[in-house]
Amino acid sequence: DQQVKQNSPSLSVQEGRISILNCDYTNSMFDYFLWYKKYPAEGPTFLISISSIKDKNEDGRFTVFLNKSAKHLSLHIVPSQPGDSAVYFCAASGDRDSNYQLIWGAGTKLIIKP
Amino acid sequence: DVKVTQSSRYLVKRTGEKVFLECVQDMDHENMFWYRQDPGLGLRLIYFSYDVKMKEKGDIPEGYSVSREKKERFSLILESASTNQTSMYLCASSLTGFHQPQHFGDGTRLSIL
Repeated sequence: DQQVKQNSPSLSVQEGRISILNCDYTNSMFDYFLWYKKYPAEGPTFLISISSIKDKNEDGRFTVFLNKSAKHLSLHIVPSQPGDSAVYFCAASGDRDSNYQLIWGAGTKLIIKP
Repeated sequence: DVKVTQSSRYLVKRTGEKVFLECVQDMDHENMFWYRQDPGLGLRLIYFSYDVKMKEKGDIPEGYSVSREKKERFSLILESASTNQTSMYLCASSLTGFHQPQHFGDGTRLSIL
């Protein structure tokens, strides 16, 4: 039973347009969410995070939105650039029973078309 | 910048062999993690450690063990490798406490023949 779901395995977006990556979760105890980006043959790198006390966090071209009532978060990339082509993972934490664990989604492969 | 180094990028071993994957971090992080990544499944936690000589099972510890004799080094051991352990293995480290981002190595692609 996946607690963190990324329902789109892949997404193709034109360069310069907005990319929107989605993530749904089922555990209402999650209180912190992170997005990671992964290039082929490299480990994931931390991109941006959001605490459940906020509904939006922005860092340059990247914005994460959190809708707690819907248990949904999204990552917006504006404008999309070719270097954004990568796999994006959503992860959640906060269930104290899980100690330091992050629960990960399956990832969404973003392809930016020139 | 945090540097997490995994000893091998690619490794090919045979069924039944004992396999060691090594990971070293240079930022004095308390926590270290071993994941495996498989297509469509995301990252699944095998084991983690929050201190020297301490270890905790993750979601899929069966067939694996770990060792943390020094703070900077965390080893993953496949006791008797099987073909279903063919995967990408990722090591990560973080500072202690909740909500600390994890920093990853570049991964080891392990093939068990």
